[in-house]
Amino acid sequence: KNEVEQSPQNLTAQEGEFITINCSYSVGISALHWLQQHPGGGIVSLFMLSSGKKKHGRLIATINIQEKHSSLHITASHPRDSAVYICAVHSNYQLIWGAGTKLIIKP
Amino acid sequence: EAQVTQNPRYLITVTGKKLTVTCSQNMNHEYMSWYRQDPGLGLRQIYYSMNVEVTDKGDVPEGYKVSRKEKRNFPLILESPSPNQTSLYFCASSVTNTGELFFGEGSRLTVL
Repeated sequence: KNEVEQSPQNLTAQEGEFITINCSYSVGISALHWLQQHPGGGIVSLFMLSSGKKKHGRLIATINIQEKHSSLHITASHPRDSAVYICAVHSNYQLIWGAGTKLIIKP
Repeated sequence: EAQVTQNPRYLITVTGKKLTVTCSQNMNHEYMSWYRQDPGLGLRQIYYSMNVEVTDKGDVPEGYKVSRKEKRNFPLILESPSPNQTSLYFCASSVTNTGELFFGEGSRLTVL
């Protein structure tokens, strides 16, 4: 069983829909990252959080330390949000990566 | 502008021909790392460096070397590349090993 699991693996939605991507982990962590990788390869850090909730524009990330679970939400989704979203956790000074969620937003 | 710069972005080479992928950051970050990304396998760490002259193996170090002689540079060296090292490579840096990560744009390497 992977220590960091993301769901769903693939998600296709219509423009404007509210999107939720989940990340569950089985290890103790000091922080959790959400990153975005667009087609063409570049990786951008979206959030780093260790508790509570963070918001940036239409993106919201939450984490529940007790339940070992984090969610990334996208409000009013747009085709430019189409990308792979990756969750990674800091545990014992190592980064453990999720496999990513491929999101496609159709116009 | 704060950035991590990798070169080359694209490279096709042949088995056994030594190559170096450079990585440079201008943010005075202490922590730097190299990853490879392969379809279906996600990101896997090759080597990392906590500071100058301090390097450590990641999950998949075989066939690679690194050096950290200066804080800003962290080159990845393939002494004798093989086809199984064909991959997309990313360099990343952060203030510390638990900080926000900044990635380079990636280097797509093909070994024939």
